[in-house]
Amino acid sequence: EAGVVQSPRYKIIEKKQPVAFWCNPISGHNTLYWYLQNLGQGPELLIRYENEEAVDDSQLPKDRFSAERLKGVDSTLKIQPAELGDSAVYLCASSFTSFHEQFFGPGTRLTVL
Amino acid sequence: DAKTTQPPSMDCAEGRAANLPCNHSTISGNEYVYWYRQIHSQGPQYIIHGLKNNETNEMASLIITEDRKSSTLILPHATLRDTAVYYCIVSGGSQGNLIFGKGTKLSVKP
Repeated sequence: EAGVVQSPRYKIIEKKQPVAFWCNPISGHNTLYWYLQNLGQGPELLIRYENEEAVDDSQLPKDRFSAERLKGVDSTLKIQPAELGDSAVYLCASSFTSFHEQFFGPGTRLTVL
Repeated sequence: DAKTTQPPSMDCAEGRAANLPCNHSTISGNEYVYWYRQIHSQGPQYIIHGLKNNETNEMASLIITEDRKSSTLILPHATLRDTAVYYCIVSGGSQGNLIFGKGTKLSVKP
């Protein structure tokens, strides 16, 4: 069974540029999560989807971050414009439902110069 | 959600049992204890979870004290591949609201 796929694995951009991350969850998983992980810290939830509906986006900085999960499968997370402080690893996870264990992708390491 | 306290780091000899403690003194009756781990440069991986009974699976055992204020994750025969950061998380029945702390960095040494 294929795991959660994320791309790109690494991204380097200059500040004020836009950037997008893509996530393909495990087939059949209804719940999808985006996390941000700073160095030395645990992951922090940005947004959680149940199918195509964002049910928890309270931690998403909506002035510059946006996300979508069209058709309730793949998802993209966008930052526009990126700031130096956005340098981090962005993790995507999925689960069958929010009552089941989460499966994480390898993450995208973003460096903003 | 209740907060957890874990030691920042632990060492374990290869082949020995690794016992990782977690304090969650403010846990409420409907909250579960979850354990995830994160190997370097990978995403976190689910290990086990429990409510009040001890649990065991192919990866580990979870021992929860009778008052539920603390728990211990046991890796019975640690290998070098078990070197990782281990997160103890307390949350309601849904895993949709997991709050990760800094965890315990376990180093398994030959």
